[in-house]
Amino acid sequence: NAGVMQNPRHLVRRRGQEARLRCSPMKGHSHVYWYRQLPEEGLKFMVYLQKENIIDESGMPKERFSAEFPKEGPSILRIQQVVRGDSAAYFCASSGTLSGANVLTFGAGSRLTVL
Amino acid sequence: TQLLEQSPQFLSIQEGENLTVYCNSSSVFSSLQWYRQEPGEGPVLLVTVVTGGEVKKLKRLTFQFGDARKDSSLHITAAQPGDTGLYLCAGRNSGGGADGLTFGKGTHLIIQP
Repeated sequence: NAGVMQNPRHLVRRRGQEARLRCSPMKGHSHVYWYRQLPEEGLKFMVYLQKENIIDESGMPKERFSAEFPKEGPSILRIQQVVRGDSAAYFCASSGTLSGANVLTFGAGSRLTVL
Repeated sequence: TQLLEQSPQFLSIQEGENLTVYCNSSSVFSSLQWYRQEPGEGPVLLVTVVTGGEVKKLKRLTFQFGDARKDSSLHITAAQPGDTGLYLCAGRNSGGGADGLTFGKGTHLIIQP
């Protein structure tokens, strides 16, 4: 059974370029969460999606960041016009039930470096 | 904003010793989870505690949820090099919300052989 798959594992971008991070949830999971982890910081919630719906994007920066989870295919976190401060590890997690006692399974993360 | 403070931030001990790490908040959580994260990997869930005063054991690891559901501790007995990692606590918001999962900054644990 494949777990949560994230790619790319490592991504290098120059300032001003776009970064696209992909996440395929565990089989049977329909809820996807994106988190950002900065060095020496905890995981910060960004966005919670279900298929074709953004449920909670309270942690998303107002500009340049967007996320989607289409009917077919992986969830995508898109960062436009990247800046050095966007350098971080981005983790995706999935779950199969509504929040409450649900269990999140995390992927291995995508590490973005902005030069 | 609910905050989780973890202490100590860094801990390095010898194999075979015992240790306790803490997770504290001024807020009440409906449940609290502990994760371990190894370098280059995502966090892996160790345990969820739900009831105030609850104690759960996972082999050499003992987790306790405070009576008031504001704090938690993780005790490791006879630590082994394989216990090395970043230990994160995460509280689930008692006020609801789609996610409601707040993470602490973690305790970096190194067990030296």
